[in-house]
Amino acid sequence: AQSVTQLGSHVSVSEGALVLLRCNYSSSVPPYLFWYVQYPNQGLQLLLKYTSAATLVKGINGFEAEFKKSETSFHLTKPSAHMSDAAEYFCAVSVGGGADGLTFGKGTHLIIQP
Amino acid sequence: ETGVTQTPRHLVMGMTNKKSLKCEQHLGHNAMYWYKQSAKKPLELMFVYNFKEQTENNSVPSRFSPECPNSSHLFLHLHTLQPEDSALYLCASSQEGTSGYEQYFGPGTRLTVT
Repeated sequence: AQSVTQLGSHVSVSEGALVLLRCNYSSSVPPYLFWYVQYPNQGLQLLLKYTSAATLVKGINGFEAEFKKSETSFHLTKPSAHMSDAAEYFCAVSVGGGADGLTFGKGTHLIIQP
Repeated sequence: ETGVTQTPRHLVMGMTNKKSLKCEQHLGHNAMYWYKQSAKKPLELMFVYNFKEQTENNSVPSRFSPECPNSSHLFLHLHTLQPEDSALYLCASSQEGTSGYEQYFGPGTRLTVT
């Protein structure tokens, strides 16, 4: 079975600073990996995904993530934080092979300090 | 309507009531999902439907009963719920056969059981 660990339930950064949200996964087969964002009172929006192509994945809103198999990691970064980035971020894994449900991490609440 | 819609957005029900949550996807997808999002817990996959057939039931209590009449609609029928069932219920859809199987989420139904 696969699992996801997100380090840090809350991360606080200053506006304009680097954003780094950590995600480690466990999977016995090559995984598909996703980052989703959730704003208050809304559903989840896909930021980016890794599907065994390029290991550096670029997503929406200036976010990117790098798949590192040796470290079983898929950390999310953004060079310069904006106030509008404040939200809950979820890392998720799927082992594919059909319409599988996603296994999510517990989420990281990103706080942007002015 | 575009994307994935859910109705109602908010629902308050007593433990003896019967109610239904509705989800509709306008993306032409063939797989649909129900997730439960409780405070301080990871998103939990409840049910998966693939081409209208239920392919996964994640040990969900029988007081939750899903129905998928066609590939665009998904219902979650609720009866004799418990207060601990209060949560945000999210519906998602995906297209099997596409790379990565990313899921698209609706805004959710905020359920409060009194």
